[in-house]
Amino acid sequence: EAQVTQNPRYLITVTGKKLTVTCSQNMNHEYMSWYRQDPGLGLRQIYYSMNVEVTDKGDVPEGYKVSRKEKRNFPLILESPSPNQTSLYFCASSSLSGGTYNEQFFGPGTRLTVL
Amino acid sequence: QKEVEQNSGPLSVPEGAIASLNCTYSDRGSQSFFWYRQYSGKSPELIMSIYSNGDKEDGRFTAQLNKASQYVSLLIRDSQPSDSATYLCAVTGDGQNFVFGPGTRLSVLP
Repeated sequence: EAQVTQNPRYLITVTGKKLTVTCSQNMNHEYMSWYRQDPGLGLRQIYYSMNVEVTDKGDVPEGYKVSRKEKRNFPLILESPSPNQTSLYFCASSSLSGGTYNEQFFGPGTRLTVL
Repeated sequence: QKEVEQNSGPLSVPEGAIASLNCTYSDRGSQSFFWYRQYSGKSPELIMSIYSNGDKEDGRFTAQLNKASQYVSLLIRDSQPSDSATYLCAVTGDGQNFVFGPGTRLSVLP
């Protein structure tokens, strides 16, 4: 089954404790992206990657790191989480066709709480 | 800064009516346009994609694109309470990053 998976789905942690949220897609998609969503604020992009070893900042990259060493994986790293990073996080991926990206497929989301 | 704008709503329509959702975008180079539906706490799911001017129909959904006016809309016919959700408009261009609008919250009243 074609899908984007995220782990963990739920995480409660404490301020300053490094964490990684994994994202993996099995569709051989070139493009991957991380979003956070807070009540009333819509989807805000954190980082995106147009291909392996190519990553770019989105709208709200502060406090986050990413890497794209393999095409299928795009982990999101919080080196020193703070309470303002409490949010619902989505990973998404998209294929490239004729120079243009097709629709994004979204993972199920990771609900992170930082105490 | 490329922008995608939507009315935040809530847009309320009675059951069985047509819901009309609108989206405008700033980048004239945009080529691909997507409508997603998102239920609270769930991930966005694709409703429609449209790439050329005109209408595209899929069941109760019709997407309309007017590149000259930089405008894309989604019509939902025979609206059902289960259509109550937030609808996100997304835009991308040639090899360009996606830009999402803030979403329109739709409420279909029984």
